[in-house]
Amino acid sequence: ETGVTQTPRHLVMGMTNKKSLKCEQHLGHNAMYWYKQSAKKPLELMFVYNFKEQTENNSVPSRFSPECPNSSHLFLHLHTLQPEDSALYLCASSLQETQYFGPGTRLLVL
Amino acid sequence: EDQVTQSPEALRLQEGESSSLNCSYTVSGLRGLFWYRQDPGKGPEFLFTLYSAGEEKEKERLKATLTKKESFLHITAPKPEDSATYLCAVQAYGGSQGNLIFGKGTKLSVKP
Repeated sequence: ETGVTQTPRHLVMGMTNKKSLKCEQHLGHNAMYWYKQSAKKPLELMFVYNFKEQTENNSVPSRFSPECPNSSHLFLHLHTLQPEDSALYLCASSLQETQYFGPGTRLLVL
Repeated sequence: EDQVTQSPEALRLQEGESSSLNCSYTVSGLRGLFWYRQDPGKGPEFLFTLYSAGEEKEKERLKATLTKKESFLHITAPKPEDSATYLCAVQAYGGSQGNLIFGKGTKLSVKP
């Protein structure tokens, strides 16, 4: 598969569970991003990684923990989430200014 | 504060009825303005990047234009498959690397 891929596409978890979202980019980009998209709200940038180094953390709660082992892979580790964390989580990558998005993971926290 | 406002929130068109979507922005220094298309349950699909006032870009029935305060996405003779939410985003000079500021989007419905 080409472009930016994300797994799983759908996830249902309880508030006490621990899960991880995975993102992989096949574009040779050097920067990767996590966004949260909630209904009726603009996309919110969560984390930025540039050459595997985290360069941005937009005051995201510690129950979200990112990991970037290399320039092609990005993870978002989730634990003790709240129902208000239910949203579409999008991964993106870029080489310069333009960001390319994956299909997203639809997360439901019960 | 950097900000992006898109209007209208929703737009219903008949097939073939041309129209425009608006993206107004305030930013300290514009590095780039981006248009994306998003279908339900999917990630945003990149359409255009505009860098300076007066710049225009076209793709099929879509044409994006840029001034110092706003951008327009013109849709000529739309078809039902153009139905989607169109997102506008800006990136500022001096801002954090990769920090795109998005608007809430315009949901376009094109009826046959």
